[in-house]
Amino acid sequence: KAGVTQTPRYLIKTRGQQVTLSCSPISGHRSVSWYQQTPGQGLQFLFEYFSETQRNKGNFPGRFSGRQFSNSRSEMNVSTLELGDSALYLCASSILQGGGELFFGEGSRLTVL
Amino acid sequence: QQQVKQSPQSLIVQKGGISIINCAYENTAFDYFPWYQQFPGKGPALLIAIRPDVSEKKEGRFTISFNKSAKQFSLHIMDSQPGDSATYFCAATPQTGANNLFFGTGTRLTVIP
Repeated sequence: KAGVTQTPRYLIKTRGQQVTLSCSPISGHRSVSWYQQTPGQGLQFLFEYFSETQRNKGNFPGRFSGRQFSNSRSEMNVSTLELGDSALYLCASSILQGGGELFFGEGSRLTVL
Repeated sequence: QQQVKQSPQSLIVQKGGISIINCAYENTAFDYFPWYQQFPGKGPALLIAIRPDVSEKKEGRFTISFNKSAKQFSLHIMDSQPGDSATYFCAATPQTGANNLFFGTGTRLTVIP
Protein backbone atom coordinates (compact mmCIF):
# COMPACT_ATOMS: atom_id res chain seq x y z
CA LYS A 1 0.00 0.00 0.00
CA ALA A 2 1.50 3.31 -1.04
CA GLY A 3 2.18 5.85 1.66
CA VAL A 4 1.46 9.54 1.71
CA THR A 5 3.03 11.24 -1.29
CA GLN A 6 4.02 14.87 -1.28
CA THR A 7 5.22 16.91 -4.22
CA PRO A 8 7.45 18.68 -4.82
CA ARG A 9 10.00 17.47 -2.28
CA TYR A 10 12.14 20.58 -2.52
CA LEU A 11 11.52 24.03 -3.86
CA ILE A 12 13.06 27.46 -3.71
CA LYS A 13 11.02 30.63 -4.01
CA THR A 14 11.64 34.31 -3.52
CA ARG A 15 9.80 36.67 -1.23
CA GLY A 16 6.44 37.78 -2.55
CA GLN A 17 5.90 34.71 -4.70
CA GLN A 18 3.30 32.08 -4.03
CA VAL A 19 3.62 28.32 -3.80
CA THR A 20 1.32 25.33 -4.09
CA LEU A 21 2.14 22.02 -2.44
CA SER A 22 0.39 18.76 -3.20
CA CYS A 23 -0.44 15.74 -1.09
CA SER A 24 -1.85 12.37 -2.06
CA PRO A 25 -3.11 10.47 1.00
CA ILE A 26 -3.07 6.75 1.56
CA SER A 27 -5.81 5.07 -0.43
CA GLY A 28 -9.02 5.06 1.60
CA HIS A 29 -7.96 7.86 3.93
CA ARG A 30 -10.36 10.78 3.80
CA SER A 31 -8.68 13.00 6.38
CA VAL A 32 -5.71 15.09 5.29
CA SER A 33 -3.97 17.48 7.63
CA TRP A 34 -1.03 19.81 7.10
CA TYR A 35 1.76 20.73 9.49
CA GLN A 36 4.63 23.18 9.33
CA GLN A 37 7.93 22.07 10.83
CA THR A 38 10.67 24.56 11.65
CA PRO A 39 13.67 24.33 14.01
CA GLY A 40 12.35 27.21 16.08
CA GLN A 41 8.63 26.46 16.32
CA GLY A 42 8.64 22.70 15.89
CA LEU A 43 5.60 21.01 14.40
CA GLN A 44 2.60 23.27 14.10
CA PHE A 45 -0.85 22.38 12.81
CA LEU A 46 -2.01 24.30 9.76
CA PHE A 47 -5.37 22.80 8.82
CA GLU A 48 -7.28 19.61 8.27
CA TYR A 49 -9.68 18.50 5.60
CA PHE A 50 -12.16 15.67 5.69
CA SER A 51 -14.37 14.87 2.72
CA GLU A 52 -13.48 18.16 1.04
CA THR A 53 -14.43 20.23 4.10
CA GLN A 54 -12.00 22.14 6.26
CA ARG A 55 -12.64 20.88 9.76
CA ASN A 56 -10.05 22.74 11.73
CA LYS A 57 -7.53 25.49 11.23
CA GLY A 58 -4.41 26.37 13.13
CA ASN A 59 -3.13 29.79 14.09
CA PHE A 60 -1.64 30.86 10.78
CA PRO A 61 -2.34 33.96 8.70
CA GLY A 62 -4.77 33.92 5.81
CA ARG A 63 -1.87 33.66 3.36
CA PHE A 64 -1.95 29.96 4.14
CA SER A 65 -4.85 28.16 2.54
CA GLY A 66 -5.75 24.70 1.41
CA ARG A 67 -8.31 22.56 -0.26
CA GLN A 68 -9.22 18.94 -0.74
CA PHE A 69 -10.52 17.31 -3.85
CA SER A 70 -13.14 14.61 -4.23
CA ASN A 71 -10.41 11.96 -4.52
CA SER A 72 -9.07 13.10 -1.11
CA ARG A 73 -5.93 14.62 -2.62
CA SER A 74 -5.11 17.93 -1.03
CA GLU A 75 -3.20 21.07 -1.88
CA MET A 76 -1.99 23.88 0.28
CA ASN A 77 -1.10 27.32 -0.97
CA VAL A 78 1.02 30.04 0.56
CA SER A 79 0.74 33.45 -1.02
CA THR A 80 3.04 36.45 -0.69
CA LEU A 81 5.87 34.35 0.68
CA GLU A 82 7.97 35.66 3.55
CA LEU A 83 11.42 34.52 4.66
CA GLY A 84 9.83 33.02 7.77
CA ASP A 85 7.77 30.65 5.65
CA SER A 86 10.88 28.59 4.99
CA ALA A 87 10.04 25.25 6.52
CA LEU A 88 9.28 21.61 5.97
CA TYR A 89 5.59 21.25 5.17
CA LEU A 90 4.23 17.88 6.16
CA CYS A 91 1.02 16.29 5.05
CA ALA A 92 -0.61 13.53 7.07
CA SER A 93 -3.55 11.32 6.29
CA SER A 94 -5.82 9.36 8.56
CA ILE A 95 -8.70 7.00 8.16
CA LEU A 96 -10.41 8.53 11.18
CA GLN A 97 -11.88 11.97 11.73
CA GLY A 98 -10.00 12.41 14.99
CA GLY A 99 -7.88 10.71 17.60
CA GLY A 100 -6.44 8.22 15.21
CA GLU A 101 -3.04 7.48 13.79
CA LEU A 102 -1.65 10.05 11.42
CA PHE A 103 0.50 8.81 8.57
CA PHE A 104 2.94 11.48 7.49
CA GLY A 105 4.57 12.01 4.14
CA GLU A 106 8.23 12.96 3.83
CA GLY A 107 7.36 16.59 3.39
CA SER A 108 8.00 19.44 1.00
CA ARG A 109 10.98 21.54 1.97
CA LEU A 110 10.37 25.17 1.06
CA THR A 111 13.16 27.72 1.04
CA VAL A 112 12.23 31.36 0.64
CA LEU A 113 15.05 33.68 -0.46
CA GLN B 1 2.01 29.23 23.96
CA GLN B 2 3.35 25.69 23.95
CA GLN B 3 0.45 23.43 24.83
CA VAL B 4 2.68 20.39 25.29
CA LYS B 5 6.03 20.81 27.02
CA GLN B 6 8.73 18.23 26.32
CA SER B 7 12.08 17.54 27.94
CA PRO B 8 14.94 17.03 27.56
CA GLN B 9 15.79 18.71 24.29
CA SER B 10 18.55 16.20 23.65
CA LEU B 11 19.55 12.92 25.21
CA ILE B 12 22.62 10.71 24.88
CA VAL B 13 22.33 7.14 26.08
CA GLN B 14 24.66 4.17 25.98
CA LYS B 15 23.56 1.10 24.04
CA GLY B 16 21.48 -1.09 26.30
CA GLY B 17 20.49 1.77 28.56
CA ILE B 18 17.08 3.28 29.24
CA SER B 19 15.98 6.45 27.45
CA ILE B 20 13.34 8.54 29.20
CA ILE B 21 11.53 11.49 27.64
CA ASN B 22 8.97 13.51 29.56
CA CYS B 23 5.99 15.59 28.49
CA ALA B 24 3.46 17.71 30.31
CA TYR B 25 0.21 19.37 29.25
CA GLU B 26 -2.35 21.76 30.66
CA ASN B 27 -5.44 21.30 28.53
CA THR B 28 -7.70 18.81 30.29
CA ALA B 29 -9.59 18.27 27.05
CA PHE B 30 -6.64 16.32 25.70
CA ASP B 31 -7.35 12.62 25.77
CA TYR B 32 -5.19 11.02 23.14
CA PHE B 33 -1.43 11.06 23.57
CA PRO B 34 0.74 9.67 20.77
CA TRP B 35 4.50 9.56 20.45
CA TYR B 36 6.09 10.01 17.06
CA GLN B 37 9.58 9.08 15.90
CA GLN B 38 11.29 11.02 13.14
CA PHE B 39 14.47 10.12 11.29
CA PRO B 40 16.35 12.74 9.26
CA GLY B 41 14.72 13.36 5.91
CA LYS B 42 11.59 11.47 6.86
CA GLY B 43 8.19 12.40 8.19
CA PRO B 44 7.20 11.52 11.75
CA ALA B 45 5.91 7.99 12.27
CA LEU B 46 3.62 6.87 15.06
CA LEU B 47 5.52 4.89 17.68
CA ILE B 48 2.99 4.27 20.41
CA ALA B 49 -0.08 6.03 21.79
CA ILE B 50 -2.12 6.01 24.97
CA ARG B 51 -5.56 7.13 26.08
CA PRO B 52 -6.07 8.34 29.67
CA ASP B 53 -8.11 5.36 30.80
CA VAL B 54 -4.85 3.44 31.37
CA SER B 55 -1.72 4.44 33.24
CA GLU B 56 0.76 2.48 31.17
CA LYS B 57 1.06 0.95 27.73
CA LYS B 58 3.89 -1.21 26.53
CA GLU B 59 4.80 -2.23 23.01
CA GLY B 60 8.04 -4.14 22.76
CA ARG B 61 10.85 -1.99 24.15
CA PHE B 62 8.68 1.13 24.22
CA THR B 63 6.50 2.06 27.19
CA ILE B 64 4.29 5.08 27.82
CA SER B 65 3.61 6.01 31.43
CA PHE B 66 0.65 8.32 31.97
CA ASN B 67 -0.20 10.34 35.09
CA LYS B 68 -3.59 11.95 34.57
CA SER B 69 -3.65 13.87 37.85
CA ALA B 70 -0.25 15.41 37.18
CA LYS B 71 -1.02 15.88 33.49
CA GLN B 72 2.24 14.27 32.56
CA PHE B 73 3.26 11.38 30.35
CA SER B 74 6.59 9.88 29.45
CA LEU B 75 8.22 7.54 26.98
CA HIS B 76 10.64 4.89 28.16
CA ILE B 77 12.84 3.08 25.66
CA MET B 78 14.32 -0.01 27.21
CA ASP B 79 17.54 -1.60 25.96
CA SER B 80 18.17 1.42 23.72
CA GLN B 81 19.84 0.63 20.39
CA PRO B 82 21.82 2.79 17.95
CA GLY B 83 18.92 2.36 15.51
CA ASP B 84 16.71 4.21 17.99
CA SER B 85 18.73 7.37 17.37
CA ALA B 86 16.09 9.80 16.09
CA THR B 87 13.99 12.74 17.19
CA TYR B 88 10.99 11.88 19.34
CA PHE B 89 7.90 14.01 19.63
CA CYS B 90 5.12 13.70 22.14
CA ALA B 91 1.73 15.03 21.14
CA ALA B 92 -1.78 15.47 22.45
CA THR B 93 -5.21 16.05 21.01
CA PRO B 94 -8.85 15.82 21.99
CA GLN B 95 -9.98 12.39 20.85
CA THR B 96 -13.30 13.70 19.67
CA GLY B 97 -11.77 16.57 17.76
CA ALA B 98 -10.13 16.82 14.41
CA ASN B 99 -6.70 15.44 13.67
CA ASN B 100 -5.16 18.50 15.23
CA LEU B 101 -2.12 17.33 17.13
CA PHE B 102 -0.32 19.63 19.53
CA PHE B 103 3.29 18.53 19.42
CA GLY B 104 6.05 18.90 21.96
CA THR B 105 9.29 20.50 20.83
CA GLY B 106 11.05 17.19 20.28
CA THR B 107 13.92 15.27 21.86
CA ARG B 108 16.93 14.30 19.81
CA LEU B 109 18.06 10.92 21.07
CA THR B 110 21.53 9.60 20.34
CA VAL B 111 22.36 6.05 21.36
CA ILE B 112 26.09 5.44 21.54
CA PRO B 113 27.30 1.93 20.58
